[in-house]
Amino acid sequence: AQKVTQAQTEISVVEKEDVTLDCVYETRDTTYYLFWYKQPPSGELVFLIRRNSFDEQNEISGRYSWNFQKSTSSFNFTITASQVVDSAVYFCALSEPNFGNEKLTFGTGTRLTIIP
Amino acid sequence: DTAVSQTPKYLVTQMGNDKSIKCEQNLGHDTMYWYKQDSKKFLKIMFSYNNKELIINETVPNRFSPKSPDKAHLNLHINSLELGDSAVYFCASSQDFTGEIAKNIQYFGAGTRLSVL
Repeated sequence: AQKVTQAQTEISVVEKEDVTLDCVYETRDTTYYLFWYKQPPSGELVFLIRRNSFDEQNEISGRYSWNFQKSTSSFNFTITASQVVDSAVYFCALSEPNFGNEKLTFGTGTRLTIIP
Repeated sequence: DTAVSQTPKYLVTQMGNDKSIKCEQNLGHDTMYWYKQDSKKFLKIMFSYNNKELIINETVPNRFSPKSPDKAHLNLHINSLELGDSAVYFCASSQDFTGEIAKNIQYFGAGTRLSVL
């Protein structure tokens, strides 16, 4: 069975600090996909990134970066120079390929608060 | 234009009533999903449809009946609403697997907050 653990329930940092959100996953599949979604206070779910299990390259997109390590089954998310607009609940998720019919298994989310 | 749109955004109703939530996507995707987010923010899949065919049904009570009139629409009908049905319901869609590039990114609607009194 697939499982995603986000051990950090809530994090608060002062604006401009860097912050890392942890994600640890469990799966028996050798091929799988990892995701991060953002849920701002307005409630919608916003896709941030998808990572294929065969691609362990870290990725950077502006102030966001992701560190994927298969050896520790982790897919951590770092926000550099945080801003108030980064305040949201962040979800890590896992799916196995199923020809477009994948179900996402979500972690319980990390509520990030950026203090101005 | 909104890619995945749900209506209504808020739904307040009495226990025992029947209600529907509508979802439409204009992304040309083949697969649509319903997820439930409970009061603790936990997200769990309920159903998925591919080209109007039910693919995933995750042990959801049969009071919940999804209906897909075409691949751009997936509606959720709930009979005999119970207090425990209060949650935010999210619709999502993704494109079919094509060739070597899996286009399995699920894009979500804004959610429907259902409150059962």
